[in-house]
Amino acid sequence: GQSLEQPSEVTAVEGAIVQINCTYQTSGFYGLSWYQQHDGGAPTFLSYNGLDGLEETGRFSSFLSRSDSYGYLLLQELQMKDSASYFCAVRDRTGGFKTIFGAGTRLFVKA
Amino acid sequence: EAQVTQNPRYLITVTGKKLTVTCSQNMNHEYMSWYRQDPGLGLRQIYYSMNVEVTDKGDVPEGYKVSRKEKRNFPLILESPSPNQTSLYFCASRMDRGNYEQYFGPGTRLTVT
Repeated sequence: GQSLEQPSEVTAVEGAIVQINCTYQTSGFYGLSWYQQHDGGAPTFLSYNGLDGLEETGRFSSFLSRSDSYGYLLLQELQMKDSASYFCAVRDRTGGFKTIFGAGTRLFVKA
Repeated sequence: EAQVTQNPRYLITVTGKKLTVTCSQNMNHEYMSWYRQDPGLGLRQIYYSMNVEVTDKGDVPEGYKVSRKEKRNFPLILESPSPNQTSLYFCASRMDRGNYEQYFGPGTRLTVT
């Protein structure tokens, strides 16, 4: 079946760098995405990796290794407003065009 | 303003009473989805639609129906709601099946007693 694993919680201090890992298992992999969700809000798109390597968008970067079925989201210069849940998601072409989300990583940023 | 809207935002209902949650997008997107979000489980896809009159099951379709008669609208129907369908529901859209960026609606908090 399809599954994604990510840590349930991560804590870091303001100004630091934090990495949120995501490993996936799917037979029809078609790209890894990352979403951010603040409490009470809707998920918002952060980044996408379709090919191996690093994608950078401001303070956020995302990495993918398809051979390892692994990716991560890197957040630099952490700010208090980065406290949120972060979800990795894969598009799966097996039997259609589903989207599978991980259970999410809750990031706590401390002063 | 480009957006996905859902109604209602909050709903408390009783077991067995049919309900519909509406979803509409103004971005001319082809691909639309419904998700439910439960603590510790992330977002699970219920149904998706790749275009008008084209719908398919996600991972948790049991107890739900959808329709896609117009490109902009994708209602979620619970014919006979049960307490285990108490959840936070999100509608989302993206440009097409090849695109990856999804835009989410604000969510509908449903409680079935």
